[in-house]
Amino acid sequence: GENVEQHPSTLSVQEGDSAVIKCTYSDSASNYFPWYKQELGKRPQLIIDIRSNVGEKKDQRIAVTLNKTAKHFSLHITETQPEDSAVYFCAASQWQKVTFGTGTKLQVIP
Amino acid sequence: EAQVTQNPRYLITVTGKKLTVTCSQNMNHEYMSWYRQDPGLGLRQIYYSMNVEVTDKGDVPEGYKVSRKEKRNFPLILESPSPNQTSLYFCASSLRGKETQYFGPGTRLLVL
Repeated sequence: GENVEQHPSTLSVQEGDSAVIKCTYSDSASNYFPWYKQELGKRPQLIIDIRSNVGEKKDQRIAVTLNKTAKHFSLHITETQPEDSAVYFCAASQWQKVTFGTGTKLQVIP
Repeated sequence: EAQVTQNPRYLITVTGKKLTVTCSQNMNHEYMSWYRQDPGLGLRQIYYSMNVEVTDKGDVPEGYKVSRKEKRNFPLILESPSPNQTSLYFCASSLRGKETQYFGPGTRLLVL
């Protein structure tokens, strides 16, 4: 089955700096790669996603890159703000079979 | 309001006592899934359903059952709960052709 590894598990950055979270996956059949943000006590919410036929996608301060050959994808957050503090999960999926990474706790220090 | 609802939100039970966690969505989504979330392990898919009467195992299906008799509902059944099923459970739904999943608020289960 699919295996998704996510690094780092914790990340502290100064407000205004950039944050990068990396994930690798094992199953070349996976074709959809979402990123979720989960605030304390809340449900996961999609922040950005990318499909296997696209190499990069950007939405304001958030971007995701995908390297299909190397089977890794990354989340980039620029100009971080305190409200970006949360746990971030990557996932790899094929149809409705979804495998999540173990999460990255991001702390943005004001 | 478009939403995914789960009930109950919190549940304390004892080993072996059958329980059902309900999940309902009002968005006419074809796809529904159940996940459990444990510290350090992220979310793990238990079961998913691609339509009425169509269900399939995720990564951690042992000890769980599901049914999909109606499009809007996807209950999770624990026939004989054990302490290792203590977890935070999320239901999610998505529209066919759109992989974006919408999560319910979660159900925190404690099995003593």
